[in-house]
Amino acid sequence: GESVGLHLPTLSVQEGDNSIINCAYSNSASDYFIWYKQESGKGPQFIIDIRSNMDKRQGQRVTVLLNKTVKHLSLQIAATQPGDSAVYFCAENTSGNTPLVFGKGTRLSVIA
Amino acid sequence: GAVVSQHPSWVICKSGTSVKIECRSLDFQATTMFWYRQFPKQSLMLMATSNEGSKATYEQGVEKDKFLINHASLTLSTLTVTSAHPEDSSFYICSAGPGASTDTQYFGPGTRLTVL
Repeated sequence: GESVGLHLPTLSVQEGDNSIINCAYSNSASDYFIWYKQESGKGPQFIIDIRSNMDKRQGQRVTVLLNKTVKHLSLQIAATQPGDSAVYFCAENTSGNTPLVFGKGTRLSVIA
Repeated sequence: GAVVSQHPSWVICKSGTSVKIECRSLDFQATTMFWYRQFPKQSLMLMATSNEGSKATYEQGVEKDKFLINHASLTLSTLTVTSAHPEDSSFYICSAGPGASTDTQYFGPGTRLTVL
């Protein structure tokens, strides 16, 4: 079946460096994408979203890039901090309050 | 805004008992809420879609008689794990979005269920 997946299951970065977390999706009908951050024992926390009519969106220290041609989504975190250590999930759905389909997750470890 | 709460945050129960988990949207109304289950080091798995005033929609493989969902108001959905067994031990998380056709969903803090 169609699913959202990730290229890298783990990522270790030095504090202050930029982080890039990748995600591949296969449902061509998906038109809305979200990145979530999940810390141990907590629920997913919304980070940033992007719609299919955009290819880039920036937030505070984070940027999401969407390449619909190759069905690829990425999350860039600038100046990574120890507090960014968590598991990051990409998720996608079609518009209209439909269930999210989650990727497998990438664990980001920040080395101080 | 868009805060979702869950209660309890953790629960330990004996095998065979039932456990109720509440999911509340604190500052918005949600006609639809979603229930997920997450096992250690795994991603979230959708269990069911909770619809206010109507029956929940369950994903394939999820027993509706075991996981009872009630969405009696626009701010509250409950998940009851009936006759819980150790294999039901998991992290249960709900999500909701403001409005009837929103895409963005916000998650509760989760409920850790341990069945002895």
